[in-house]
Amino acid sequence: NAGVTQTPKFQVLKTGQSMTLQCAQDMNHNSMYWYRQDPGMGLRLIYYSASEGTTDKGEVPNGYNVSRLNKREFSLRLESAAPSQTSVYFCASSWTSGGANQGFFGPGTRLTVL
Amino acid sequence: DAKTTQPTSMDCAEGRAANLPCNHSTISGNEYVYWYRQIHSQGPQYIIHGLKNNETNEMASLIITEDRKSSTLILPHATLRDTAVYYCIVRVYGSSNTGKLIFGQGTTLQVKP
Repeated sequence: NAGVTQTPKFQVLKTGQSMTLQCAQDMNHNSMYWYRQDPGMGLRLIYYSASEGTTDKGEVPNGYNVSRLNKREFSLRLESAAPSQTSVYFCASSWTSGGANQGFFGPGTRLTVL
Repeated sequence: DAKTTQPTSMDCAEGRAANLPCNHSTISGNEYVYWYRQIHSQGPQYIIHGLKNNETNEMASLIITEDRKSSTLILPHATLRDTAVYYCIVRVYGSSNTGKLIFGQGTTLQVKP
């Protein structure tokens, strides 16, 4: 049981390049989330998917797109990376219906945009 | 979701209890208090949650005031490995909850030898 996995762990991009961050969970959770964390700051929600087939914007969605590929996988795409998107990106998953809905987080992807 | 207020930083001596306060004066009746921590830029880790009764698990205790406007997370015997940023979050519990967590700045707890 790997929990929440993210790839890659580190990435350096040049301004204008595109890339996709991958996230997968093996806990059969309905909901998945993408957060970003800037240095010295708390986490901010980018997008979330309450269930397979649905996605919704969070606090800071501009510049990002997401795809809920199936129940296990939720990807985050940067179409044209900007230096302001330099951050650590965390994926999380949780149950949706009932229960504590406590989130389980992945180890993060450290992205630098030059 | 209700907003929370936490001190920016706190120190605690190793082996002593660490008491982390959180104010949530606008909490609604159907909102629970959750605590998470983040150790050295790892992904956040769930600690505990509660509604109005005090809660305890293997990691910590949660004390919620009777009016529910504030709470305290207690680490009974802090170790150096408890050095982390601690986040207090309030949100709805149950089927209407999309599960999303809204993080504030948190409290940086430094446990000292």
